[in-house]
Amino acid sequence: DIQMTQSPSSLAASVGDRVTITCRASQSINSFLNWYQHRLGKAPKLLIYAAYNLQSGVPSRFSGSGSGTYFTLTISNLQPEDFATYYCQQSSSNPLTFGGGTKVEIK
Amino acid sequence: QVQLVESGGGLVRPGGSLRLSCAASGFTFSDYYMTWTRQAPGKGLEFVSYITSSGNTISYADSVKGRFTISRDNAERSLFLQMDSLRAADTAVYYCGRSRGDGDHDFDYWGQGTLVTVSS
Repeated sequence: DIQMTQSPSSLAASVGDRVTITCRASQSINSFLNWYQHRLGKAPKLLIYAAYNLQSGVPSRFSGSGSGTYFTLTISNLQPEDFATYYCQQSSSNPLTFGGGTKVEIK
Repeated sequence: QVQLVESGGGLVRPGGSLRLSCAASGFTFSDYYMTWTRQAPGKGLEFVSYITSSGNTISYADSVKGRFTISRDNAERSLFLQMDSLRAADTAVYYCGRSRGDGDHDFDYWGQGTLVTVSS
């Protein structure tokens, strides 16, 4: 199985900050990498698919980059509604796997 | 609008069984892959299983292989997860999700989840 490792596991930031989360795959997954936002008690939300494609309706302050084994999710101009946990997910091979998550908290 | 509503969760003893359902509306159910993904208390998201639009291809996480069975009824617009030989480690909120498109392995709509508690 492909292992997905996110860092950091948590971070504290202020409204207006720029935040970057990294995700590493245990082997090359080309660009088969997706990012989700998850708030407690809510449904997960797809933010980015295929490494850098913004899902319809997602604000442009979210962006993704990377390929192979190294990927990043960047949130520019952090907003109050962005405080949540973020997960990467590889869709290169079965079984699909998620990273461990990065919790973005208010500083 | 797209809606996914899970049901069937509850309290079950270790070794027991439970069948989850996910009722879909607002889209052509038979055109999309579907997934079950879970979140255990204090843990992250964990992929459980997915099934292709026709039901011909299925994948499971290693942790549930041989114990869980995913299925779908396209005529009834419903997704199912039969869970047997349940363990305490299966305690989680279970979410059903819809693929972004037929053939995609990312998921753009999710339900609110149903809680499964495995305890004696």
